[in-house]
Amino acid sequence: EVQLVESGGGLVKPGGSLRLSCAASGFTFSNYNMNWVRQTPGKGLEWVSSISSSSSYIYYADSVKGRFTISRDNAKLSLYLQMHSLRAEDTAVYYCARNQVEMESDYWGQGTLVTVSS
Amino acid sequence: DIQMTQSPSSVSASVGDRVTITCRASQGISNWLAWYQQKPGKAPKLLIYSASSLQSGVPSRFSGSGSGTDFTLTISSLQPEDFATYYCQQANSFPPTFGQGTRLEI
Repeated sequence: EVQLVESGGGLVKPGGSLRLSCAASGFTFSNYNMNWVRQTPGKGLEWVSSISSSSSYIYYADSVKGRFTISRDNAKLSLYLQMHSLRAEDTAVYYCARNQVEMESDYWGQGTLVTVSS
Repeated sequence: DIQMTQSPSSVSASVGDRVTITCRASQGISNWLAWYQQKPGKAPKLLIYSASSLQSGVPSRFSGSGSGTDFTLTISSLQPEDFATYYCQQANSFPPTFGQGTRLEI
């Protein structure tokens, strides 16, 4: 059974940092591109970042470019999102998701809530 | 960025009804479109990919169609478990973008 389990969310002050992790199981992690997608009540679903299976290709939304870094450790079956210079507008539930063929996501984690507030 | 616009934003329907949700892309995306269902407090679930391909395990009452800029998701006979929010997403080019969602309610 494919499972994606996020962790690392929490309350952080504006300007602070946080590192999200996503533990994968039930599939050959190193064969799949992976995504981070976030969701806020006001803005719906927003793609944040993608990383190819071997980390050769990395993409970011303009809203997080220069502040967030996606990475993966295929040996540890883990996906990461390092977030710096956090802003109130980064407050959201963050999901890790597996790419199926193109950029659609066939499996999602349960999400981890990031709250940026003083 | 490609803008995705869904309509309607919300729709009321009853069990057994046929419901159609539309999604329009601001530029052509061929058939690179996915549909998701999301229930409160849960992650989105992939229903349809490549505009019309049914994801494994998804009931056949769900279907998708369209290409270019105009797409539809149809639920042929609503079941109680189908009341949820539905999102389209273009998978043609970075950044992948989502529609604003359509809330399907009783």
